[in-house]
Amino acid sequence: GEDVEQSLFLSVREGDSSVINCTYTDSSSTYLYWYKQEPGAGLQLLTYIFSNMDMKQDQRLTVLLNKKDKHLSLRIADTQTGDSAIYFCAASTDSWGKLQFGAGTQVVVTP
Amino acid sequence: GAVVSQHPSWVICKSGTSVKIECRSLDFQATTMFWYRQFPKQSLMLMATSNEGSKATYEQGVEKDKFLINHASLTLSTLTVTSAHPEDSSFYICSARESRSRTSGGPHTQYFGPGTRLTVL
Repeated sequence: GEDVEQSLFLSVREGDSSVINCTYTDSSSTYLYWYKQEPGAGLQLLTYIFSNMDMKQDQRLTVLLNKKDKHLSLRIADTQTGDSAIYFCAASTDSWGKLQFGAGTQVVVTP
Repeated sequence: GAVVSQHPSWVICKSGTSVKIECRSLDFQATTMFWYRQFPKQSLMLMATSNEGSKATYEQGVEKDKFLINHASLTLSTLTVTSAHPEDSSFYICSARESRSRTSGGPHTQYFGPGTRLTVL
């Protein structure tokens, strides 16, 4: 089955860019997602990318997909203290498919 | 749009009692809802897939008699933890998948509720 892995922790200074990395194993993964979870809360969908895309930009968020290496990244430009949270990447094999989540990357933004 | 609510947001109960958690899609119809369990500092573990009007599909290792799921309408699914024990203490999160994609060719995105913190004493 699908295995999704992420680095567990990232510390970044306010105003810098953050880059969170994720790898997955199932080459048939069609949709790849980034979710944000703040303490004690559910998951907020940030963005997704379809497997035939290399890049997707949405305001401060840039998603890069290297399908050959099965590598996904999320770049947050001009990181703010409000960006401190846990970020999960998730993969599914079709638009109706179940999501397989990574373990989450805790991002801590320091002043 | 795409708001999912859960009730209650937290609950404390005694061992042996049953607890019901509600998951509602507020502004869209969801033929499918998912129930996840999340342990501290860990990822979400899918427990079951709930389809409106039919029996839930449980993931391997999840006791269906322990975690009763009912999806009675297109906007409501409930998870009942029966005869709860301290090891059932966890953060339970539901998600609702839209019946129709909001973007042509896009995914049928799952929208997540805020979660329910269950503590069993």
